[in-house]
Amino acid sequence: ILNVEQSPQSLHVQEGDSTNFTCSFPSSNFYALHWYRWETAKSPEALFVMTLNGDEKKKGRISATLNTKEGYSYLYIKGSQPEDSATYLCASYYTGGFKTIFGAGTRLFVKA
Amino acid sequence: DAGVIQSPRHEVTEMGQEVTLRCKPISGHNSLFWYRQTMMRGLELLIYFNNNVPIDDSGMPEDRFSAKMPNASFSTLKIQPSEPRDSAVYFCASSGLAGHNEQFFGPGTRLTVL
Repeated sequence: ILNVEQSPQSLHVQEGDSTNFTCSFPSSNFYALHWYRWETAKSPEALFVMTLNGDEKKKGRISATLNTKEGYSYLYIKGSQPEDSATYLCASYYTGGFKTIFGAGTRLFVKA
Repeated sequence: DAGVIQSPRHEVTEMGQEVTLRCKPISGHNSLFWYRQTMMRGLELLIYFNNNVPIDDSGMPEDRFSAKMPNASFSTLKIQPSEPRDSAVYFCASSGLAGHNEQFFGPGTRLTVL
């Protein structure tokens, strides 16, 4: 059974703090990893798509890295702002039908 | 582009009734995904179409669920008969080449089965 795990489950930080989350996934038959940002009462929005081992992507204060050999990805937020408060989901894709497995997400709360 | 369009946004129905959820993907996208979100299980992939053809329906919970994509601009997810445990938010998403490209999610349909 393929399982994608995210940690921590939730995180409370102060405005200005930098933070990071982890997404762990099975590396066998791995194809791609996506990160999404999901605000309450809205739909998930894509942040990054990564496929290659060692990939690093950046968008503003948010960046992500990928290690396909050991099966993990980190998402970093530098200088958190209250508007960063959301659930951050990772989803791993596998060859052979593009099976998609979502993690349960990390819920981030940024206090002003 | 208006993004992925889903209808209805909210649906309240009684157990045993047929429910049809609709999705219009972003023009030019050739992959379409149906997801279900529940408190217990989070976000689950139900079925994935590529070029209107169902590729992976292993996430469809049971025979009461069916999905079609008659053309590149329209897909339906049908539940017949509906049960209270089907209550959830159902999202449709579309993308270019699956896996390679980010998915764009619709606003979701909140289904309540009484």
